[in-house]
Amino acid sequence: QKEVEQNSGPLSVPEGAIASLNCTYSDRGSQSFFWYRQYSGKSPELIMFIYSNGDKEDGRFTAQLNKASQYVSLLIRDSQPSDSATYLCAAQYSSASKIIFGSGTRLSIRP
Amino acid sequence: DAGVIQSPRHEVTEMGQEVTLRCKPISGHNSLFWYRQTMMRGLELLIYFNNNVPIDDSGMPEDRFSAKMPNASFSTLKIQPSEPRDSAVYFCASSWTGHTDTQYFGPGTRLTVL
Repeated sequence: QKEVEQNSGPLSVPEGAIASLNCTYSDRGSQSFFWYRQYSGKSPELIMFIYSNGDKEDGRFTAQLNKASQYVSLLIRDSQPSDSATYLCAAQYSSASKIIFGSGTRLSIRP
Repeated sequence: DAGVIQSPRHEVTEMGQEVTLRCKPISGHNSLFWYRQTMMRGLELLIYFNNNVPIDDSGMPEDRFSAKMPNASFSTLKIQPSEPRDSAVYFCASSWTGHTDTQYFGPGTRLTVL
């Protein structure tokens, strides 16, 4: 059973600090990884995807992938109250295969 | 550009009734996914289609659930008969498989079975 594991939280971070969200996956052959953000009562929306080992930056967001250790992380710099949401990590074995979602980490940014 | 469209947005029905959820994917996308989300089980993939063909339906809970995709712009998820444990938010998502595989989610249908 392919799995994606996340700490459910809640993770509480002060405004302006760096929020660090982590995720591990069981299928060593997974190739693509996604981070989705889901506000309460809304649908998931893509923040970033990453395929290669290392870091990928987009504005205040940085995704990090370490295939040898089978973990993916998402860093949010200068955290804002609007970043408070549940963050879903997802892994995909190959193009056209299904994406496996983790259960999500609830992030709360306190003013 | 219209996103994924789902209807109805809310559905309240009684146990034993048939429920049909509808989805219109983003134009040009070739894959469509049906998910169910609950607090207890998180986001679960029920079934996905590629080029209108069901590829993986291993997540469909039981025979009460069925899904169809008669053409590239429309899909249905049917529950017959419905049970209270089917109460959840059902999301439809679409993607352009072979490109980025990024899935775009619809707003969801909140189903309550009494």
